[in-house]
Amino acid sequence: SQQGEEDPQALSIQEGENATMNCSYKTSINNLQWYRQNSGRGLVHLILIRSNEREKHSGRLRVTLDTSKKSSSLLITASRAADTASYFCATDAWGYKYIFGTGTRLKVLA
Amino acid sequence: SAVISQKPSRDICQRGTSLTIQCQVDSQVTMMFWYRQQPGQSLTLIATANQGSEATYESGFVIDKFPISRPNLTFSTLTVSNMSPEDSSIYLCSVTGLAGFTDTQYFGPGTRLTVL
Repeated sequence: SQQGEEDPQALSIQEGENATMNCSYKTSINNLQWYRQNSGRGLVHLILIRSNEREKHSGRLRVTLDTSKKSSSLLITASRAADTASYFCATDAWGYKYIFGTGTRLKVLA
Repeated sequence: SAVISQKPSRDICQRGTSLTIQCQVDSQVTMMFWYRQQPGQSLTLIATANQGSEATYESGFVIDKFPISRPNLTFSTLTVSNMSPEDSSIYLCSVTGLAGFTDTQYFGPGTRLTVL
């Protein structure tokens, strides 16, 4: 079963614009992770944010976490064509194992 | 992070046969997991591979269909048994518990399985 729901399911933007993806989950967590997947290949780990953190940055990526709303967002600034991929959130709602959200397919148009 | 390799990277199999997928990590890890990703879908956890004991399976997955081994802290195998076209998916192993990155989950490159 899916722990998280992501929206939008698909997003198409122009190069240079910002892309925001949201993840909502159902139960309390310790950590939330974001991943990128290009064309059905392996998953690349982007950011881990802990439940006591509200925001983290990594390069052009900004992740926020609102535990009261059980939601997280991933912002990609100044997007590039190479950012075209599927993005997934994953939460450790049951302790040691991570359950994945439904994913957002991002397309960045050059 | 660790280097995680999977073999084979892809395979095309006939229905009724079995395929064993290997996952090798270049350093010791605490936890190893197996996920399935059906075409166009998200990842679904199949099981946690426990070192030296039976794997812990998620709802909807059984040992007879997906036997898993984990003989040590760096290696695991997943077998997809008696395959049908519905088993066509990407199978991914993942790990947590790397030194210095204990909570971060890293993934192997995946095995793309097509069952005819």
